[in-house]
Amino acid sequence: DAKTTQPTSMDCAEGRAANLPCNHSTISGNEYVYWYRQIHSQGPQYIIHGLKNNETNEMASLIITEDRKSSTLILPHATLRDTAVYYCIAYSGGGADGLTFGKGTHLIIQP
Amino acid sequence: KAGVTQTPRYLIKTRGQQVTLSCSPISGHRSVSWYQQTPGQGLQFLFEYFSETQRNKGNFPGRFSGRQFSNSRSEMNVSTLELGDSALYLCASSTVGKTLRQETQYFGPGTRLLVL
Repeated sequence: DAKTTQPTSMDCAEGRAANLPCNHSTISGNEYVYWYRQIHSQGPQYIIHGLKNNETNEMASLIITEDRKSSTLILPHATLRDTAVYYCIAYSGGGADGLTFGKGTHLIIQP
Repeated sequence: KAGVTQTPRYLIKTRGQQVTLSCSPISGHRSVSWYQQTPGQGLQFLFEYFSETQRNKGNFPGRFSGRQFSNSRSEMNVSTLELGDSALYLCASSTVGKTLRQETQYFGPGTRLLVL
């Protein structure tokens, strides 16, 4: 699966939109972009995924560039409970590696 | 729908012992994957089971084994525990598409294992 690059940490004010970028310049055509988050010592929580088109669900929006080399996760109205490590993954499903999480972005929501 | 459940949530063992962890997937999910997460190594894939068969395996020694039952519930076993096995063990379940591709994986809360 393609390598992804994310900023190590970001701050966002409570109530504002949090925009988390991810670079995946070597993504292949059959790889989806997945986002998970993990609050300290809990299991990772699935947020959203997409292939080519932008996606939105009750938690977040995912914007994927036309060339698919980068994406942005948007949490529209961040709350303190959104403080977590956010992982962006390029994944085609199955295989000997499973899901591979990088270091992720530590998002800190400031009151 | 109930999420992925894992038992026990916390476990303390001593070196040389063995341990069995259990995972109940989301209803209807037939693929179960196991991961080990440590601060130093991050998330590492152990193995995946689908239809009671180990389909994929990560790079772990044979002390780590697993199985899946006909109701898709899964167990993993670690024999001859070492201090380095202390970790958060995560189970994730998913549906499998027509091409046998795993679809979105949903994680359980994990079992925190401490080996003394």
